[in-house]
Amino acid sequence: GAVVSQHPSWVICKSGTSVKIECRSLDFQATTMFWYRQFPKQSLMLMATSNEGSKATYEQGVEKDKFLINHASLTLSTLTVTSAHPEDSSFYICSASSPVGEQYFGPGTRLTVT
Amino acid sequence: DAKTTQPTSMDCAEGRAANLPCNHSTISGNEYVYWYRQIHSQGPQYIIHGLKNNETNEMASLIITEDRKSSTLILPHATLRDTAVYYCIVRVAGANQAGTALIFGKGTTLSVSS
Repeated sequence: GAVVSQHPSWVICKSGTSVKIECRSLDFQATTMFWYRQFPKQSLMLMATSNEGSKATYEQGVEKDKFLINHASLTLSTLTVTSAHPEDSSFYICSASSPVGEQYFGPGTRLTVT
Repeated sequence: DAKTTQPTSMDCAEGRAANLPCNHSTISGNEYVYWYRQIHSQGPQYIIHGLKNNETNEMASLIITEDRKSSTLILPHATLRDTAVYYCIVRVAGANQAGTALIFGKGTTLSVSS
């Protein structure tokens, strides 16, 4: 099946710093990518929808100025967690929509803010 | 709002068939039933999907009732590596759905033991 990668797979940062997570679709062009967040023992929660060349659409309760999303090409979307705090520690997962509408997920990025 | 209902957890002995039920009584005529699973600390993995006919692939079988209000995912010979959270999701398929995210419920935690 199609492959979506994320980098880094895990990151530890200090409170107040910013962290960038990359999501790449390796073998197809993705007009739309999605970002999810998952806290321990909970399900995936959609954070935002990222469309190539336009502003991301954020879900209710997700701060757009804190979680900056850039989708500059058809194969790359980035999520930057700005001024990270311990409560932002979570598992961040991206997915990419193929041209026929199927959604493929990345392996996730574990963020720990100390 | 959740469009599917699944049991919180299930146990299965290794080598036996695992039958995971899902209720989707409000499914629309153009909505498919999708199954994903998430192994601990990984991104979701696509398993199978169907509209109204039963489907089978190398991973599993999907049985959809005639009225389409419920379905069952069958792992014919469960192994320890099948231990995961299994998500049943209903959504419209097709290229025009590329901009629509998958919405996850709480899923069923399947524990396979030896």
